[in-house]
Amino acid sequence: KAGVTQTPRYLIKTRGQQVTLSCSPISGHRSVSWYQQTPGQGLQFLFEYFSETQRNKGNFPGRFSGRQFSNSRSEMNVSTLELGDSALYLCASSRAGATNEQFFGPGTRLTVL
Amino acid sequence: AQKITQTQPGMFVQEKEAVTLDCTYDTSDQSYGLFWYKQPSSGEMIFLIYQGSYDEQNATEGRYSLNFQKARKSANLVISASQLGDSAMYFCAMRDNTDKLIFGTGTRLQVFP
Repeated sequence: KAGVTQTPRYLIKTRGQQVTLSCSPISGHRSVSWYQQTPGQGLQFLFEYFSETQRNKGNFPGRFSGRQFSNSRSEMNVSTLELGDSALYLCASSRAGATNEQFFGPGTRLTVL
Repeated sequence: AQKITQTQPGMFVQEKEAVTLDCTYDTSDQSYGLFWYKQPSSGEMIFLIYQGSYDEQNATEGRYSLNFQKARKSANLVISASQLGDSAMYFCAMRDNTDKLIFGTGTRLQVFP
């Protein structure tokens, strides 16, 4: 069974640009969560999608948005990039109602210059 | 507020020895879940072990076991027979009542020959 996949793995952007990251969950998983990891703030929850609906949202500005498609694939978008958005963005998936699992992808490392 | 605390920024252990990584948590919820993840330098978060708050027995997964002391709100990870490949960052996380994961700051484990 294939794991969680994220594309691209590495990305370099400049301030003011926008970026879209993609996450494909494990087959059969309908919940997708996004996390941001930085050296200063650690791992922080961005949002969670379930059945194409945002079910949960962390404390991030509106520049961070996401969506989920009918095949459970999810994208997150960051507009008007700032230097502080440089981070590892991790996506995790789980089955509906499975509170004992969250499987992560390899992450997308975003660098904002 | 819900919180995970990992007080050991770094730990050293000799190959084949056992090591305990500390984790304490704070929550007022009765139902919650505790996770441990390993993050090698590649960045991917690898699921190691899960403990539910109502589980009476400590969780075990191969060389990993979780020493769950509910009254003390601690969920320490024990790695037996350490291997060089165990060198990585280790994160303790708690699933809160909105199903998002709250992470600790991590412990960097280094295994030496």
